[in-house]
Parts: sequence; structure tokens; C-alpha cells
Amino acid sequence: AQKITQTQPGMFVQEKEAVTLDCTYDTSDQSYGLFWYKQPSSGEMIFLIYQGSYDEQNATEGRYSLNFQKARKSANLVISASQLGDSAMYFCAMREGLKAGSYQLTFGKGTKLSVIP
Amino acid sequence: ETGVTQSPTHLIKTRGQQVTLRCSSQSGHNTVSWYQQALGQGPQFIFQYYREEENGRGNFPPRFSGLQFPNYSSELNVNALELDDSALYLCASSGGSGASDEQFFGPGTRLTVL
Repeated sequence: AQKITQTQPGMFVQEKEAVTLDCTYDTSDQSYGLFWYKQPSSGEMIFLIYQGSYDEQNATEGRYSLNFQKARKSANLVISASQLGDSAMYFCAMREGLKAGSYQLTFGKGTKLSVIP
Repeated sequence: ETGVTQSPTHLIKTRGQQVTLRCSSQSGHNTVSWYQQALGQGPQFIFQYYREEENGRGNFPPRFSGLQFPNYSSELNVNALELDDSALYLCASSGGSGASDEQFFGPGTRLTVL
């Protein structure tokens, strides 16, 4: 069974600073994918970034980058130049294949990020 | 392009009752997944529907059932509600022509069981 571990229940970061949110995973699959989602207090899950296990380069999307270390089974999210609007819950998730080429997501418990003015 | 919508936003039920939650998928998407998110936890996969058929199921009892309609909207039904069913229920849609792997989530339905 796949497992996602997020060891930081809460993190604080000063506005305009960078922050790293940790995520480790466990899987026996050779091919897998890792996602990061942001969940504001409104509840909606917002997709941030995706990393495939065979991708040679770390994924980047604007201020978000993923520090993927395959041998350590870690996929940490780095947010650069934090903004007040970044305050939210952040979830790391792994895809697990289903029928018809689709997949389900297995989530970690999340990290609550608070950006301080 | 209309995003994923869910109804109702909030719901209060008592133990033993039955509830139906609804989800309209994003235009062009043919796959709907349902997740349960208990307070302070990450979402847990309930099941997925693809072209009106169940495509996979997580570790949830049979009193959690679902349906997908020809327009790809979906329902989640929970019978014999228990206190532990209190949670945010999230629906996500995916698929469609030229679609990426991303699952697009709706705003969720918050269910409280008293």
C-alpha cells in the first residue's frame, strides 16, 4: 500500500521569504506521480504542482518548485517569496492506478502554513 | 468553462438517517472521484466513476454508494449515518479530450451528523 508522510503539522514563514514543506512517500511501484495541493479555509483543493517518477528534472510552476529526491523518497514543496495569500493547508499526494487508465490520490495529513506580515 | 460544483454546501443529519450529495463535473470530463476529509486529516478516497461505471473503490463500507449519470454528474449516497461520517466530502472530476492528469476539485459538502 502506498503511504504519504508529512511530518510538519504547522509552519510559519515571514512574508517574502522562502519555505520548504516536507513530504516523504513509500511505494513499491516503479512508476508513480506526486502532487501538491493547497487547501484554503474555503475547503477547495487547488492543484499546485506535479512530479512524475521518471521526470528527469524537478517540477516548477511559478513560485512553486518540487525538490524531488527519488533515492530518499522525498518530494518537498518549496514556495519562494511567500505571500499572505499562501496561508493555507498544503497536502502532498500520490497517484495510485485504477482501471481505465485512471487513478486515485492518496493524501498525507497536511501541513498548515501561516505567512506572517 | 464551468468548474466542478457540489451541493449542498452544508448539511446536518442525525444518526441513522440517509444522505445524498451531488457533484457536477467540469465540462468535458467523464470521470468523477469522491473523497472524505475528516477534520484535521487529509482526504481519503471513497470511489471513482468512469462513464457511469464504478472504476475503483477505497476502504469504505457498502453503505457508501454512488451513481454517475449520462451527463457525468454524480451522486454519493450514505445510508445509516454514523457520527464518524461527519466530514467534508470532496468531489473531483478528470478526463475528457486533451485532458491532463489533474483532478479538479469542487468546493466540497460539509456534513455534520448529530
